[in-house]
Amino acid sequence: ELKVEQNPLFLSMQEGKNYTIYCNYSTTSDRLYWYRQDPGKSLESLFVLLSNGAVKQEGRLMASLDTKARLSTLHITAAVHDLSATYFCAKDGQNFVFGPGTRLSVLP
Amino acid sequence: EAGVAQSPRYKIIEKRQSVAFWCNPISGHATLYWYQQILGQGPKLLIQFQNNGVVDDSQLPKDRFSAERLKGVDSTLKIQPAKLEDSAVYLCASSLERLGKVVAKNIQYFGAGTRLSVL
Repeated sequence: ELKVEQNPLFLSMQEGKNYTIYCNYSTTSDRLYWYRQDPGKSLESLFVLLSNGAVKQEGRLMASLDTKARLSTLHITAAVHDLSATYFCAKDGQNFVFGPGTRLSVLP
Repeated sequence: EAGVAQSPRYKIIEKRQSVAFWCNPISGHATLYWYQQILGQGPKLLIQFQNNGVVDDSQLPKDRFSAERLKGVDSTLKIQPAKLEDSAVYLCASSLERLGKVVAKNIQYFGAGTRLSVL
C-alpha cells in the first residue's frame, strides 16, 4: 500500500528566509505531484515531476525528485507572505495518494 | 475553458439523512475523481472513474456511499445514511488520462468542493 509522508506538518517562517519541505513515499511508482491549497479553497497544481533527478521551478518555489531515495523536496527561496498556504505532495501508483500536507505561514 | 463544477457548495444535514453531490468535469476529461478531505488532512481518494467505468473504489465505504458517472460525463456521489464522521469537504477532480492513452503529466483539476456538515 502506497504511503506518502510529509515533514514538517507545520512551518512558520519569516519573510526573506529559505526553507525546504520534504515528501517521502513508500513505493516506487510514476509521477510525483505538488499542490497548493489556500484556506477554504480548492487545490491548485504546482508541479509534476516525472523522473529521477527532475527539477521544476516556478518563482520562489523549486521542486525536485530523487526516486532512489523515494524523496521529493519543495524548496522555498526568500519567502513572502503570499506563499502562506498548505502544500501537499501526492503520488500515483495503484491509486492516487496525498500526503498530510504542510501548513506554511510566512510572517512579516 | 470552464473548470470543474460542483454543487452544492455547502450542505448541512442531520445524521441518518441522505445527501447527494454533483460534479461536472472539464470537457473532454476522461477521468473523474471523488475525494473526501477532513479538516486538517490531505484529500483521500474515494472513487476514480475512467469514462463511466470504475477504476478504483477501494476506499469507498460501500455500505453507505455510492457514486455513478452516467454517460461518462457528470457524476453524483451519494451518502445514505450519513454519519457524524462524514463531515468533510468533498472534492471532485478531473484529468485527461484514459485507458490506452497515457498523458505524461496527468494533472488533476479540482472543483471548489462541497462542504458537508452532519449534525
